[in-house]
Amino acid sequence: KAGVTQTPRYLIKTRGQQVTLSCSPISGHRSVSWYQQTPGQGLQFLFEYFSETQRNKGNFPGRFSGRQFSNSRSEMNVSTLELGDSALYLCASSPGQGNTEAFFGQGTRLTVV
Amino acid sequence: DAKTTQPTSMDCAEGRAANLPCNHSTISGNEYVYWYRQIHSQGPQYIIHGLKNNETNEMASLIITEDRKSSTLILPHATLRDTAVYYCIVRGINTNAGKSTFGDGTTLTVKP
Repeated sequence: KAGVTQTPRYLIKTRGQQVTLSCSPISGHRSVSWYQQTPGQGLQFLFEYFSETQRNKGNFPGRFSGRQFSNSRSEMNVSTLELGDSALYLCASSPGQGNTEAFFGQGTRLTVV
Repeated sequence: DAKTTQPTSMDCAEGRAANLPCNHSTISGNEYVYWYRQIHSQGPQYIIHGLKNNETNEMASLIITEDRKSSTLILPHATLRDTAVYYCIVRGINTNAGKSTFGDGTTLTVKP
């Protein structure tokens, strides 16, 4: 069974640009969550999508957005990039119902210069 | 979800058992204890979870105290590859797996 796939693995962008990251969940999983990890703030929840609808949202500015497609694949977008957006962005996949574990991808390392 | 407290760092000798404690004194009756670990620059990996009974799987054992206010993750024979940050998370039965609150975790260093 294939795991969670995130693309790209590494990305370098310039301040002010926008970026789109992609996550393909485990087959059959309907929930995709996104996390930001930085050395100073640790792992922080961004948002969760279930069946194409945002179900939960963390405390991040509106520059951070996401969506989920009918095949459960998800994208997150960050507009008007700031230096502080440099981080490891992690995607987690889960069935979406019931108390189960989440499976994480390897992450996308975004560097804003 | 209840807050957890873990030591910042721990060392363990290779081949010995690693015992990682977690305090969750405000845990409520319908909250599970989950453990994940994150090896440098990789995504977190699920280890084990439990409600009130002790649990064991191929990776580790989870011991939860009778009052459920604390737990210990046990790696029975630590190897160098077990060096990682270990996160203890408490999550309600109705809180989806996708929305977890991660603290700072414990950095476990396994030494030869």
